[in-house]
Amino acid sequence: EAGVAQSPRYKIIEKRQSVAFWCNPISGHATLYWYQQILGQGPKLLIQFQNNGVVDDSQLPKDRFSAERLKGVDSTLKIQPAKLEDSAVYLCASSLTDAAYEQYFGPGTRLTVT
Amino acid sequence: KQEVTQIPAALSVPEGENLVLNCSFTDSAIYNLQWFRQDPGKGLTSLLLIQSSQREQTSGRLNASLDKSSGRSTLYIAASQPGDSATYLCAFSGNTGKLIFGQGTTLQVKP
Repeated sequence: EAGVAQSPRYKIIEKRQSVAFWCNPISGHATLYWYQQILGQGPKLLIQFQNNGVVDDSQLPKDRFSAERLKGVDSTLKIQPAKLEDSAVYLCASSLTDAAYEQYFGPGTRLTVT
Repeated sequence: KQEVTQIPAALSVPEGENLVLNCSFTDSAIYNLQWFRQDPGKGLTSLLLIQSSQREQTSGRLNASLDKSSGRSTLYIAASQPGDSATYLCAFSGNTGKLIFGQGTTLQVKP
């Protein structure tokens, strides 16, 4: 069974530029999560989708971050414009349906904003 | 505010030792508790999932326990090996599935 796929693996941009990350969850997983992990900290949830609907985006900085999950499968997370403090690893995870199930994580995208 | 605390922040042990990693959480209304391993520059690998109705889970040399009443979980690693060197993260979820993570314990096992 293929795992969670993410791309790109690494990205370096200048502040005020835009960037997009892509995630393909495990086949059949209805729930998709985006987490932000700043160096030395545990991951923090940015947004959670159930199929193509948003369950929780309370910690998403909506003035600069946006995310979508079209057709309830792949997802894209965008940052526009980027700030220095957005430098982090962006992790995508998926689970079968609800909270009873394990979350499986992708390899992450390491973003550096200079 | 829901918080997760992991102690110690870092640990260095000789190969072969048994060790315990601690995790405490402030919200007793948890749904699941999950332990993860993270290697440098990599994503998270799920090690063990304990549902709120369970007290412990075991996988190979790993055993995780959950005590909801005291807000604590422990990860026990038996006969540690250099390959166990990594950062270990615990996280709990409420009924929505959102995971709240601790900051992790970085383990080094010396040959």
